[in-house]
Order: sequence, then C-alpha cells, then structure tokens
Amino acid sequence: GAVVSQHPSWVICKSGTSVKIECRSLDFQATTMFWYRQFPKQSLMLMATSNEGSKATYEQGVEKDKFLINHASLTLSTLTVTSAHPEDSSFYICSARDTEPYEQYFGPGTRLTVT
Amino acid sequence: GQNIDQPTEMTATEGAIVQINCTYQTSGFNGLFWYQQHAGEAPTFLSYNVLDGLEEKGRFSSFLSRSKGYSYLLLKELQMKDSASYLCAPMDSNYQLIWGAGTKLIIKP
Repeated sequence: GAVVSQHPSWVICKSGTSVKIECRSLDFQATTMFWYRQFPKQSLMLMATSNEGSKATYEQGVEKDKFLINHASLTLSTLTVTSAHPEDSSFYICSARDTEPYEQYFGPGTRLTVT
Repeated sequence: GQNIDQPTEMTATEGAIVQINCTYQTSGFNGLFWYQQHAGEAPTFLSYNVLDGLEEKGRFSSFLSRSKGYSYLLLKELQMKDSASYLCAPMDSNYQLIWGAGTKLIIKP
C-alpha cells in the first residue's frame, strides 16, 4: 500500500510558540490531503481538507488563522499550529489520497504537547 | 444529518469469530471503509466496499447492504493483536469520509 510519513512524530513546545508538522506521500501523488485531530478515546475529527495548489477548506469551528495549512506540492502538506496553547495538545494525523478509489492513507500521527 | 452507529465496545476470545456491525446515514454514498486503529496510533486501512455483498480478505471480511445502510466487519481466528478500535467510515457525496467513534474490540485469551 501507499506510504504517508509525518514529521515529527512527537513534539513538546511552550505555550505561545508555533509548531510545524509535515505530511508527505512517499510513493504516490496526493491530490488531496486531510488533517485530523484526535483527543484520547474520541473519534477522529476532520480539521481541514487541502488540494494541491489551492487554499485549504476548514471544517466549522476550526480557526484557519491558528491552524495554517499549506499544500504546496503533490507530495507535501504542512500544518502549522500558531501561538499554541495547552488545549491544542492532541494527536494530529494527516491522510492523503490520489483520485479513485479514494482510499485515504494515513500518516503515523504527531503527538503535540503544549506546556 | 450524517450519522454512524457502532457498538462502543465488544469482547471476544482468542481464536473465535466476531462481527462488528455498523449502520450509517449519509448525504449521498460513495462506498464504505473499515479501518483498524491501535491505541496511540493512526488508523490503517482494512477494506472498502462500494457494491452490495461480501468482500473477503484473509481473516477479515466486510459486508455491505446499501439499501439498509448497513455494513459489518467479520474477524475470524482472532489473535491478541486484533485488540484495537475498528472504525466504520462511509464516504458521502463529496467523497469525504464520515467518522464515528469506532468499536473498541477486546480480545481475551
């Protein structure tokens, strides 16, 4: 199956700083990438959908100025958490897909802890 | 609205068979995925059904009935490593996956 990498796998940062998470599709071109957040024992929550070369579409309630998404190429998308606060601590997971059959391939996730 | 209904938790014995049911309501339908998620890890793909019927893949099989808005995942010859959450995710008319909370499966020796 297709491989999606994410970096870093975990990060600890201080409140008020920004953190960038990278998501790469290693062996296919990802026309669409998704960013999810998951709190412990809760379901995946879609934050935003991004298509290569265009602005991301954010889900309701997700602040686009706080969670900056850049999908600059068919193999790379980045999520930047700006001015992070302790409540932003979560498991952030990206996924990527090409065109049909629309299967989403998930990265391994990034665990963010804001102190 | 869009809705997914799965049991919250199930328990089964090593070597046995378990069926995890899923009913869904979506705005349009473009197939249904099953994912496995171990604690602290990202989901991994198990199966995709777009037509009615049973798809078999090794120890795992998935069934779909579009008219009933129903799917199930069947796991045979259960192993301890199968302890995980299983996520039923239908795809809506915009090709977006709709996620529920999943079913936590506990395997006992």
